[in-house]
Amino acid sequence: EVQLVESGGGLVQPGGSRRLSCAASGFTLSGFWMHWVRQVPGKGPVWVSHINSDGTTTQYADSVKGRFTISRDNAKNTLYLQMNSLRAEDTAVYYCTRDLDFVVGTAHFDAFDIWGQGTMVTVSS
Amino acid sequence: AIQMTQSPSSLSASVGDRVTITCRASQAIRSDLGWYQQKPGEAPKLLIYAASSLYSEVPSRFSGSGSGTDFTLTISSLQPEDFATYYCLQDYNYPRTFGQGTKVEIK
Repeated sequence: EVQLVESGGGLVQPGGSRRLSCAASGFTLSGFWMHWVRQVPGKGPVWVSHINSDGTTTQYADSVKGRFTISRDNAKNTLYLQMNSLRAEDTAVYYCTRDLDFVVGTAHFDAFDIWGQGTMVTVSS
Repeated sequence: AIQMTQSPSSLSASVGDRVTITCRASQAIRSDLGWYQQKPGEAPKLLIYAASSLYSEVPSRFSGSGSGTDFTLTISSLQPEDFATYYCLQDYNYPRTFGQGTKVEIK
């Protein structure tokens, strides 16, 4: 079965750090771009970060740039999100998601086809 | 960043109704748009990619249309399992941006 399983969430003090992991199974992670998306309970999802298939290119939302680092270990089939200098507003469920390249005619499109179950990060003293 | 504006933010409908949700981008995004369904306690699920292509195993009562700045998700005959929140997501550029969501509730 193709799936993503996040771990590493929990309660963190403001200013603290946390590393989230996302283990892929049923497919080879190295073939796919990956993303992190977060969602405050009761609110809409917000894109956080992207990494290309070999880890050489990354993108970040302005709200996390300079504090969060996305990385991957393709040998371990695992994606990571290192979160530093955490703030109360980083409290959310964090999802990892796979970016699938769809071909329609001769055009390429991306979409998030597989999602993990999410891991909750709470930043509070 | 591209702003995605969905409307309505919520709607009440009955089983069998035709439902239409719209999403407007603050600039042209070609057909680089997906639609996602989310139920409470679950992760979002992909319904439509490339604005109008139905994802694998998604029922044919779901359809998408539009290009440029204006997009539509239509459910032709609402089923009990369709009561959920729907989001559009632009994949034209970074940062990726979601619409604020449309909650479809039972009338």
